[in-house]
Amino acid sequence: SQQGEEDPQALSIQEGENATMNCSYKTSINNLQWYRQNSGRGLVHLILIRSNEREKHSGRLRVTLDTSKKSSSLLITASRAADTASYFCATATIQGAQKLVFGQGTRLTINP
Amino acid sequence: NAGVMQNPRHLVRRRGQEARLRCSPMKGHSHVYWYRQLPEEGLKFMVYLQKENIIDESGMPKERFSAEFPKEGPSILRIQQVVRGDSAAYFCASSSQEGNQPQHFGDGTRLSIL
Repeated sequence: SQQGEEDPQALSIQEGENATMNCSYKTSINNLQWYRQNSGRGLVHLILIRSNEREKHSGRLRVTLDTSKKSSSLLITASRAADTASYFCATATIQGAQKLVFGQGTRLTINP
Repeated sequence: NAGVMQNPRHLVRRRGQEARLRCSPMKGHSHVYWYRQLPEEGLKFMVYLQKENIIDESGMPKERFSAEFPKEGPSILRIQQVVRGDSAAYFCASSSQEGNQPQHFGDGTRLSIL
């Protein structure tokens, strides 16, 4: 079964609103990473959060990690039409630190 | 500073033919990873290589698939005797070192099997 599972599968909001996506995983991790994928393109790395970190910020992005609940969230504030994309969380387990395990992704649509 | 380069972007093969997918990692990166993505799904790990070594191939199908990362030149993912089920997007990623480093992805090769 998938290590990471995103929730919701699809999210549609108005431009300017905040978007929150969640990710749950099953086993102990070394780090958790969030990626964005535009249609027909590769993945763009957004943020890496280590297992001993609880929160990280990058511009309009805020990622939290709760290892006790085995979950993470990605918050995009003041959304823009250009944020429309699929967002994936990926976990790197302690045993296989190089092997990223991806969830199914959240398809985010920002309506102008 | 060029990112991860994959070619071709699109590849069409008939059943039974061979497919060769190429990946040049980012400059300075010596760790290469291959992933496969089926439509509307997340990426699935296939193989992790360093120069001239396969480190982890736990996601590679046992038959028809092979990967290499020679001392000189790009990494190659090779699929022999392709079947319709091999149709997917194949992504390559690279990183600078082991552990707790982001992986940087190419734009992928979309393989279609007729």
